[in-house]
Amino acid sequence: QVTLKESGPVLVKPTETLTLTCTVSGFSLSNARMGVSWIRQPPGKALEWLAHVFSNDDTSYSASLESRLTISKDTSKRQVVLTMTNMDPVDTAYYYCVRGTWGAREGSYFDHWGQGTLVTVSS
Amino acid sequence: EFVLTQSPGTLSLSPGERATLSCRASQSIRSSYLAWYQQKPGQAPRLLIYGVSDRATGIPDRFSGSGSGTDFTLTISRLEPEDFAVYYCQQYGSSRWTFGQGTKVEIK
Repeated sequence: QVTLKESGPVLVKPTETLTLTCTVSGFSLSNARMGVSWIRQPPGKALEWLAHVFSNDDTSYSASLESRLTISKDTSKRQVVLTMTNMDPVDTAYYYCVRGTWGAREGSYFDHWGQGTLVTVSS
Repeated sequence: EFVLTQSPGTLSLSPGERATLSCRASQSIRSSYLAWYQQKPGQAPRLLIYGVSDRATGIPDRFSGSGSGTDFTLTISRLEPEDFAVYYCQQYGSSRWTFGQGTKVEIK
């Protein structure tokens, strides 16, 4: 059974750095067809892809947020970590850890989602 | 920048009716790199369709996807009460992912 579980602070202050951890089970972070993304969703708004770490440790970031994001993984600990610097109230959102599966024909899609964690940015 | 535009923003239908949701891309999508998700209130999204038309595990056959190039469609043949939700399309290209802004299917 594949599971992803997010953990981290529920409240951060403006200008602080957010660190979120995703702990996965049921699959290996070294599987070449799989990677892990972080996706966020402000309450009542649309989904926004943030960052992805591939099985070979390559990373990819949203162009609009790249300067603020860092994603990494520890395969032995089964964890993926996202940091986002200089937090602002507009960053208040549900943050989801999501498994991305790749296929040559179908591309990459998100087949397993964590429950999400609400992060509020406020002083 | 890749943009996905979903229409309509809200679709008001009755149970048993057919729902047709559109997703238009700002540029042609490579191969079949288009997926659809369903999100109910208070829940994480769930994968419905990947590779334009492949149903994910456990998804009933009343859900179908089609399209190519820049125009894609999610069709729900007969709406069940549990299908009223928000639906998102998503594309993958150049190691980046993009979501549409969503279509809400509500009970009329």
